[in-house]
Amino acid sequence: DGGITQSPKYLFRKEGQNVTLSCEQNLNHDAMYWYRQDPGQGLRLIYYSQIVNDFQKGDIAEGYSVSREKKESFPLTVTSAQKNPTAFYLCASSYRVGDNQPQHFGDGTRLSIL
Amino acid sequence: AQSVAQPEDQVNVAEGNPLTVKCTYSVSGNPYLFWYVQYPNRGLQFLLKYITGDNLVKGSYGFEAEFNKSQTSFHLKKPSALVSDSALYFCAVRAGMDSNYQLIWGAGTKLIIKP
Repeated sequence: DGGITQSPKYLFRKEGQNVTLSCEQNLNHDAMYWYRQDPGQGLRLIYYSQIVNDFQKGDIAEGYSVSREKKESFPLTVTSAQKNPTAFYLCASSYRVGDNQPQHFGDGTRLSIL
Repeated sequence: AQSVAQPEDQVNVAEGNPLTVKCTYSVSGNPYLFWYVQYPNRGLQFLLKYITGDNLVKGSYGFEAEFNKSQTSFHLKKPSALVSDSALYFCAVRAGMDSNYQLIWGAGTKLIIKP
């Protein structure tokens, strides 16, 4: 079955540590996205990528970094510069940015501070 | 400013009764509107969308939504609620070119269906 796989499901970060969240899709989508979800705030866009080797900052990119070396993969690194990383992180994909097709979501990674 | 509002944090409905989850939007140009559902500790699942055409859109699990241009609303409805409909519901609208056509998300509405 086609879909988006996020791993791990739960992740714990120590102070000063960088952690990387994995996102893989087999939907043959060009566009991929990372969102942060906090209670009562909806989804906020961290980064998005329209195509391989290209990515753009979203609304809350500070303290995060991404790469897009393969069409299928869009990992997110939460760096030590992100002072409040505790949240639910969602990866999504779509055929193209801004078209009329829905985004497809993975089941998320919950990141907590140790 | 482009925005989406879901005015109710929580909606409580008795099983078998009709339900409505409200959404209003403000966006430049013609809106692309979406509804998604999220179950606990899961990702979002697409329910339905309005792009153009009929104002009443039918989607998954018996849900429908009515696009009202004059009121800039896109309320989600279902004629008869099920306990299994209890979840978090998000409305989203595609922003214009000045925001790189990204989705703008509402804060979500928790729907509770009581047996």
